[in-house]
Amino acid sequence: AQKITQTQPGMFVQEKEAVTLDCTYDTSDQSYGLFWYKQPSSGEMIFLIYQGSYDEQNATEGRYSLNFQKARKSANLVISASQLGDSAMYFCAMSVYNTDKLIFGTGTRLQVFP
Amino acid sequence: DAGITQSPRHKVTETGTPVTLRCHQTENHRYMYWYRQDPGHGLRLIHYSYGVKDTDKGEVSDGYSVSRSKTEDFLLTLESATSSQTSVYFCAIRVEYEQYFGPGTRLTVT
Repeated sequence: AQKITQTQPGMFVQEKEAVTLDCTYDTSDQSYGLFWYKQPSSGEMIFLIYQGSYDEQNATEGRYSLNFQKARKSANLVISASQLGDSAMYFCAMSVYNTDKLIFGTGTRLQVFP
Repeated sequence: DAGITQSPRHKVTETGTPVTLRCHQTENHRYMYWYRQDPGHGLRLIHYSYGVKDTDKGEVSDGYSVSRSKTEDFLLTLESATSSQTSVYFCAIRVEYEQYFGPGTRLTVT
């Protein structure tokens, strides 16, 4: 069965510093996708970044990058130059090709302080 | 903006009453999903649809049914609401490999 694990319930980071949010996954499938979503206090789910299991390079989107280590089954999110507006819940998720279902972790609450 | 709306945005209902939540998209995407979000569980898939009248169960489908008679609308029905179905419900659409979410519906069953 597929599973996503986020072991950090909460993280603190100072503004302008980089932060890494951990995500490990478990699947026996060879084809899958990994996602990160941001959920601010207003409640909406915002798509941040996607990594396919066959992508050789780590995905990047602006200040977000996904540190994909396939052998370790990890897909950590790195946020560079944190901003106060980055304070939110962050969810890691996995999809399995041909099923389209997303499996979510329990989330990490990030707080950015001045 | 993925063009997804959900209605109602908030609802309070009593145990045993039927409830229908609506998800509407404006871009004719084929795949649509319903998730629920509860503290400590992240989001969990309830049902999904891969086309008009084509639906399938997700991880937590008991007590829920869905219908999709038009590409743009995906309805989630709680036939007889229970307090355990108090949750925030999110609809999503799939665009290529990515899923984009609606604003959510907060449902309280008293």
